[in-house]
Amino acid sequence: QQPVQSPQAVILREGEDAVINCSSSKALYSVHWYRQKHGEAPVFLMILLKGGEQKGHEKISASFNEKKQQSSLYLTASQLSYSGTYFCGTNKAAGNKLTFGGGTRVLVKP
Amino acid sequence: EPEVTQTPSHQVTQMGQEVILRCVPISNHLYFYWYRQILGQKVEFLVSFYNNEISEKSEIFDDQFSVERPDGSNFTLKIRSTKLEDSAMYFCASRGEGAYEQYFGPGTRLTVT
Repeated sequence: QQPVQSPQAVILREGEDAVINCSSSKALYSVHWYRQKHGEAPVFLMILLKGGEQKGHEKISASFNEKKQQSSLYLTASQLSYSGTYFCGTNKAAGNKLTFGGGTRVLVKP
Repeated sequence: EPEVTQTPSHQVTQMGQEVILRCVPISNHLYFYWYRQILGQKVEFLVSFYNNEISEKSEIFDDQFSVERPDGSNFTLKIRSTKLEDSAMYFCASRGEGAYEQYFGPGTRLTVT
C-alpha cells in the first residue's frame, strides 16, 4: 500500500517555510525523500531510518515518527530552487523496493 | 561525482515491438532497480536485481518484461511486445553494498504508438 502525502500542492513565497507529510498504515523501515523537477529524474535528498532520527540537507530537514509511521519534510526559508515535486518513498526492510507516495508539488515564487 | 546513466533518452516504438532500455549503474553498486513513471503520476517499482538474479518484482513486471546484466557494467530492461500502456518514463536506480539510498538515472522516455 502506498504512503499518503499531504498536502498535494503548496505555493510559497521565497523565504517562507513549508511542511510535507508522508504517512503509512504499515510499519516502515525507512523513508526516503526525493525531489523531482519537471522532466528530470528524482534526486535523492535524504533517508530516515526507524528510530526517529532527524536529518538535514541544507535548509531542508526531515523527521520520522515511528509510532505514527509518519515522516515530515521541512522546507525552511525556501529558495526558488526548492520548486519541484517531492516524493517520499518507503520500504519495510533495508534495500527493499521503494513504494512512492503521490507527490507534493511545491512552487516557490519570488 | 559518479552517476547512473541511461540510454536512449527517448525511444519511440510501435505497439508489439520489442524494446531494450539500457542503464549503466554507479560502478561499485551491486543492487539495481527499474522503476517507471507514467506521465503525471507517481514513480512505481518494477523490479530489483542482485547477484545476477531478480530479488523482487511487482505485479506490473509480467512475462513481457525481463532484465539482464549482460556484462560488468550494463543493466537492461527488455519489453518483448510493447503495449500502448507501457508508455512511460523508465528509471534505473542503483544502490551500494551496505547503503540504503537509491540513486536514479535520468530516465528513458518510452512512447508506444
